Amino acid sequence: DAGVIQSPRHEVTEMGQEVTLRCKPISGHNSLFWYRQTMMRGLELLIYFNNNVPIDDSGMPEDRFSAKMPNASFSTLKIQPSEPRDSAVYFCASSFWWDSASTDTQYFGPGTRLTVL
Amino acid sequence: SQKIEQNSEALNIQEGKTATLTCNYTNYSPAYLQWYRQDPGRGPVFLLLIRENEKEKRKERLKVTFDTTLKQSLFHITASQPADSATYLCALGDRGQNFVFGPGTRLSVLP
Repeated sequence: DAGVIQSPRHEVTEMGQEVTLRCKPISGHNSLFWYRQTMMRGLELLIYFNNNVPIDDSGMPEDRFSAKMPNASFSTLKIQPSEPRDSAVYFCASSFWWDSASTDTQYFGPGTRLTVL
Repeated sequence: SQKIEQNSEALNIQEGKTATLTCNYTNYSPAYLQWYRQDPGRGPVFLLLIRENEKEKRKERLKVTFDTTLKQSLFHITASQPADSATYLCALGDRGQNFVFGPGTRLSVLP
């Protein structure tokens, strides 16, 4: 299996521009997570989907951030407009979760390093 | 609010010694706890899982303990090697999909 695939790996953009990050989860997984990692705040959960449905988006910083999962094999995280404080590494992770007895072992992608100038 | 602490930001030990990392939590009732390893420029990688009704788990040179009374997990790497140098993150999960990562401890094993 190819694992979780993220693109692009690096993104440099200017303040005010729209940024779209992409993720392909592991085939067969039914949960997908978007995280942001910075030195100051560590690994923060932004949003997660279960069976393509957004379950918890309480970690999304503000309305400038949006995420979609149109099908089981693709998700996007969009920032519009971007700001310098959005600079971070964004990770996508996937897992297979079926009920309260299961454990959410997450498989992470390589991340997208975003720099907003 | 939920809080997870890991013993220190950084830990330096000599090769061959046992590294012990600590994960403490408050205001949380985890059903299980996981440890992940993260190398620079990469995503976290799952290492071990221990459930609330388990006291200890082992995998090769790794050992995890879980004390729900103390609200603490210890992660041990025996016979440490320079290749074990990385950041180690603990993560707590409940019976829903409420999953929270700790801040991580950066381990350096010195030759």
